[in-house]
Amino acid sequence: QVQLVESGGGVVQPGRSLRLSCAASGFTFSTYAMHWVRQAPGKGLDWVAVMSYDGSKKWYAESVKGRFTISRDNSKNTLYVQMNSLRVEDTAVYYCVRPGGVAQSFHYWGQGTLVTVSS
Amino acid sequence: DIQMTQSPSSLSASVGDRVTITCRASQNITTYLNWYQQKPGTAPDLLISAASSLHSGVPSRFGGSGSGTDFTLTISSLQPEDFTTYYCQQSYSLPLTFGGGTKVEIK
Repeated sequence: QVQLVESGGGVVQPGRSLRLSCAASGFTFSTYAMHWVRQAPGKGLDWVAVMSYDGSKKWYAESVKGRFTISRDNSKNTLYVQMNSLRVEDTAVYYCVRPGGVAQSFHYWGQGTLVTVSS
Repeated sequence: DIQMTQSPSSLSASVGDRVTITCRASQNITTYLNWYQQKPGTAPDLLISAASSLHSGVPSRFGGSGSGTDFTLTISSLQPEDFTTYYCQQSYSLPLTFGGGTKVEIK
């Protein structure tokens, strides 16, 4: 069965960096684009970034462009997001998501990892 | 960016009620519209993809319709486990965007 397991969350001061990882299993990771989606405490869902199946293309939400970098290692079935210059407003649960189907809807979600940016 | 406007933001209903949630896109997204259910403390679950396709394992009391800019999620007979939050999302173009959510509460 498909499993996505995020790690790397924690408490970090504003301006510092953090790298999240997402270990994937149960499917052929190298054939799927992969996304990061976040959710601030008590708020709605917010798309962050996507990387193509082969790592050749990536897109970001305007709110993280220039600060976050999405990457993947298909040999390790792992997705990453490097988060630099973190802001208080980046505080959220970060989900790793695998799309599917014609509409590329979000079929599978990880359990999420909480990032808290606070001084 | 495509804005997704979901309404109502919350509603109160009883077990057995028929409930409709609407989602409006700021431009034509054909049928690239998805619905998710999220229970507290857990990741969202896909309910409906491509506006009207019921995801595997989702009960048939859930239904979706619409195309272009106007979409609806209908729950034909609310069950106790359905009292939670629902989101629409467009997958037509980047950046992908979500509606603000609808919280379904017990009357």
